[in-house]
Amino acid sequence: KQEVTQIPAALSVPEGENLVLNCSFTDSAIYNLQWFRQDPGKGLTSLLLIQSSQREQTSGRLNASLDKSSGRSTLYIAASQPGDSATYLCAVSQFRHMEYGNKLVFGAGTILRVKS
Amino acid sequence: KAGVTQTPRYLIKTRGQQVTLSCSPISGHRSVSWYQQTPGQGLQFLFEYFSETQRNKGNFPGRFSGRQFSNSRSEMNVSTLELGDSALYLCASRPGRKTATNEKLFFGSGTQLSVL
Repeated sequence: KQEVTQIPAALSVPEGENLVLNCSFTDSAIYNLQWFRQDPGKGLTSLLLIQSSQREQTSGRLNASLDKSSGRSTLYIAASQPGDSATYLCAVSQFRHMEYGNKLVFGAGTILRVKS
Repeated sequence: KAGVTQTPRYLIKTRGQQVTLSCSPISGHRSVSWYQQTPGQGLQFLFEYFSETQRNKGNFPGRFSGRQFSNSRSEMNVSTLELGDSALYLCASRPGRKTATNEKLFFGSGTQLSVL
């Protein structure tokens, strides 16, 4: 059974700091890994999707890496801003073909607070 | 393009009642998934529908059911509500392209269900 763990559970940093969020998974037979952001009482917003054959993906100040063999991913946020405050979740997909279904297994998330 | 729309936004029910939640996916998306989010268990997969067929199901009791209509809109039903069913229910859609191997999920804002 796939289990996804995120460390730390919560993080508070001053504005402008670079930070790293960690995600680990127990079964390396994944097809992709996604990082999401969730604001309080809201749905999830997909930030980055890394395919199993890729090592990293970048979008603006965000960079996500994937080491499938060791079951780890990191989300790097550069020059953090108060608007980055949210819960960050990682999730792995274990389905091989999108037409036949998909299921994400989520970590518990990291609550990030960026202080101004 | 309109996002994923979930109705109602909030719902209060009593134990033993049943409830139906609605989800309208992004136009052109053929797959709809449902997730339950609670403080204790985090995000858990309920089921996924594609072309009106259930493709995948999570580990939830039979009281949880769903369906998808020909226009891809989906409904989720929970019968004989229990206190533990109180949660944020999130719907997500994706294109479901036949040749796609990796597709991002787009989430709605959720329905917050409280069972008293």
